[in-house]
This record gives sequence, C-alpha cells and structure tokens, in this order.
Amino acid sequence: SAVISQKPSRDICQRGTSLTIQCQVDSQVTMMFWYRQQPGQSLTLIATANQGSEATYESGFVIDKFPISRPNLTFSTLTVSNMSPEDSSIYLCSVPTTSGRSNEQYFGPGTRLTVT
Amino acid sequence: DQQVKQNSPSLSVQEGRISILNCDYTNSMFDYFLWYKKYPAEGPTFLISISSIKDKNEDGRFTVFLNKSAKHLSLHIVPSQPGDSAVYFCAASAYCSNDYKLSFGAGTTVTVRA
Repeated sequence: SAVISQKPSRDICQRGTSLTIQCQVDSQVTMMFWYRQQPGQSLTLIATANQGSEATYESGFVIDKFPISRPNLTFSTLTVSNMSPEDSSIYLCSVPTTSGRSNEQYFGPGTRLTVT
Repeated sequence: DQQVKQNSPSLSVQEGRISILNCDYTNSMFDYFLWYKKYPAEGPTFLISISSIKDKNEDGRFTVFLNKSAKHLSLHIVPSQPGDSAVYFCAASAYCSNDYKLSFGAGTTVTVRA
C-alpha cells in the first residue's frame, strides 16, 4: 500500500485568494488523481495528473481554476484559484494500487478548505 | 448527473447485528465496483471490491453482492462492531474500457450502537 500525505490538512481562506495543496506519495506512481468532496456530497474527480504531461480535467473543471503540477513521480500540487465560498470542500489526492488494477486507489487524508 | 447513488444517507444498527448498505448505478459500462470506508479527518480506505463477472465477494465480515440486471450492489457487514461506525462510499468504474476513473456515491453514515 502507498502512504500519502497532504499539506495543509485544513485552511480557512478569504474569497479571491488562492491555495495550493500538496500531495506527497512514498512511492513512484504514474497516475495521481485529485478529488473534491463538497459538504454532504460524493467525491468528484477533478483531474488526472500524469507525470510529464498536462493534467486531464473532468467536465466542469478547468485548468485556470484548478491548475495542477506534477514535477515528479511522487509529488503533485493542486491550486484552487480565485476562491469563492462554493469552493469550500475537502480536497483529496489518490494514487492507484500497485496490484495492477488502478481502480483500487489509495487516498490521502484530505485538505479541508473553508472559504469565507 | 449522478451515476452512482446511495439513497440511504444514514444507517443505525445494533452491535452484533447485520448492516446492509445499498448502492445503485446507472451506467451499464461500469464493470468494477468498490466500497470505501471513511473515518472523520481521514481519507477513504479501500474495503472490498467486486468485478462484474461475479455476483458475490466475501472478505471476513464483509460481503458484497452484485445484481447486474438491477444495476444494484450491496455491502453486508456481519456481525457489526462499534469500530465499523464510519461513512461508507460505493464507487464504480468502467475498467475494461480502460477508464480508471472512479464514480462515487454520496455515502452512507453507519452508526453501530453498543
């Protein structure tokens, strides 16, 4: 199993500002995923970040709002830009299992963001 | 459009009894299903999965049943223990279509009463 850490664990930010969330994995992985969980809702995939290529964004998410970096095989960042209260969510990164079935993803502990 | 639905937001069960969590999906391309468990302030942890070629998978106290014709799956926990109190998420993917993305339900909060 992979050990995943995220920084910060939580933050309270003012609207109009930006926050960068870091995700560190203890092993090299090709794929990393970023999810959002809004209050009372399911986890929604924001984008898939592959090392060496541009992130692939899901419908409803754009690079200008959620720029992603993937500088190496163990690290990724997600920035929530020009925040509004609607961005208040838990943001999670995940990586595929090493079993070969990438569906069984390991998740980080999440970053709880509150935008005031 | 929510492709994976967990219609029961919460479930309360007596310790030692069976917990049954239900999940429905709409996308017929889904062929791999997973259950995740989440404690407060932690990320979801993988619990059990099932491929569409099976209708049942068992792992200790946890059993997942899949009814493809009804596009329905369920998770049975027996016997339920206080440590099982958590939020349970159902997830699905179209693995054989090389789509590794997971679609999640909204979760069911399980409370096991002593």
